[in-house]
Amino acid sequence: EAGVAQSPRYKIIEKRQSVAFWCNPISGHATLYWYQQILGQGPKLLIQFQNNGVVDDSQLPKDRFSAERLKGVDSTLKIQPAKLEDSAVYLCASSPVGTNTGELFFGEGSRLTVL
Amino acid sequence: GENVEQHPSTLSVQEGDSAVIKCTYSDSASNYFPWYKQELGKGPQLIIDIRSNVGEKKDQRIAVTLNKTAKHFSLHITETQPEDSAVYFCAASGGGTYKYIFGTGTRLKVLA
Repeated sequence: EAGVAQSPRYKIIEKRQSVAFWCNPISGHATLYWYQQILGQGPKLLIQFQNNGVVDDSQLPKDRFSAERLKGVDSTLKIQPAKLEDSAVYLCASSPVGTNTGELFFGEGSRLTVL
Repeated sequence: GENVEQHPSTLSVQEGDSAVIKCTYSDSASNYFPWYKQELGKGPQLIIDIRSNVGEKKDQRIAVTLNKTAKHFSLHITETQPEDSAVYFCAASGGGTYKYIFGTGTRLKVLA
């Protein structure tokens, strides 16, 4: 079974530029999460989708971050304009259940460096 | 909202010794407590989990205990091996609209 795919793995941009990350969850997984992991910290939830609807985006900085999950499958996370403090690994995870009480399957992450 | 604290932040043990990592949570409605292992350059991977109706769960060299009254849970690794070296995260969730919240992580080093 193919795992969660993310791209790009690495991205370096100047502050105020924009960047987009892509995630393809495990086939059939209804729930998709985007987490931000700053170096030395635990993953912080940015947004959670159930199929193509948003379940929770309370910690998403909506003035600069946006995310969508068209057709309930792939998802894209965009940052525009980027700030220095956005430097982090962006992890995508998926789950076959929608109750938040099961295993999350993570991709390898997209490492963003903002200069 | 839920808050998960994790200790210690770093832990070094000799190969063959045991390692214990502790977490506390704030929301008494939390009922699911997973532990994830993250190796360098990889995403976190579930190693064991426990639900609130169980006090202890064991899987080979790994065990997790839960004290609902005190709102804390712990990961125990026995007979540690060099390949156990990684960052370990606890998490808590209450299901439904509850967020899946992670602790701050523990970097475990197993010295050969």
